[in-house]
Amino acid sequence: DQQVKQNSPSLSVQEGRISILNCDYTNSMFDYFLWYKKYPAEGPTFLISISSIKDKNEDGRFTVFLNKSAKHLSLHIVPSQPGDSAVYFCAAGPSNSNSGYALNFGKGTSLLVTP
Amino acid sequence: DAGITQSPRHKVTETGTPVTLRCHQTENHRYMYWYRQDPGHGLRLIHYSYGVKDTDKGEVSDGYSVSRSKTEDFLLTLESATSSQTSVYFCAISSNIYEQYFGPGTRLTVT
Repeated sequence: DQQVKQNSPSLSVQEGRISILNCDYTNSMFDYFLWYKKYPAEGPTFLISISSIKDKNEDGRFTVFLNKSAKHLSLHIVPSQPGDSAVYFCAAGPSNSNSGYALNFGKGTSLLVTP
Repeated sequence: DAGITQSPRHKVTETGTPVTLRCHQTENHRYMYWYRQDPGHGLRLIHYSYGVKDTDKGEVSDGYSVSRSKTEDFLLTLESATSSQTSVYFCAISSNIYEQYFGPGTRLTVT
């Protein structure tokens, strides 16, 4: 059963506009959330993260918002650039694991930024 | 970039043959993971390791085994490959509970 859901398989945005990628989770034990970006034929690369003690984290053009009550997070990219075109994966996990810190990934959202 | 390599990068094998994929890191990170990526499924965890000789199963572990005899290497073995194991396999490493760093991937085709 998918515990992390990205319900939009794809998104198209014009260059310079805002891209908003959404993610929902079902497991209330998850308290750490990450976004990864993946180009074709490459491994995913870490983009930005947020812990449950915050509701916003910003890094340059990328901002992640967390709504714990709704079990929802979103990634905002402003302004969007053609180089941002990639698949974006949302991931979540519990921080109190006593063994491995395995992440649960969503299925990904393919973002296309058009000139 | 984290020092993580995977070998081979591409492999074609026949159904029923054993296959071993290797993940090698130079970062001395404690945690190592194997994922597979399939269309419509995203990334799914196969097995992970939290230390030398310490491993555990992930979401899709059936048909796979792993071994970690030293910190830098994490091996994924398909004892008898099946067509359903055709996938792209990613290894990841981490030193804490936060960011995982991924290797370039191995594309495996089972015919």
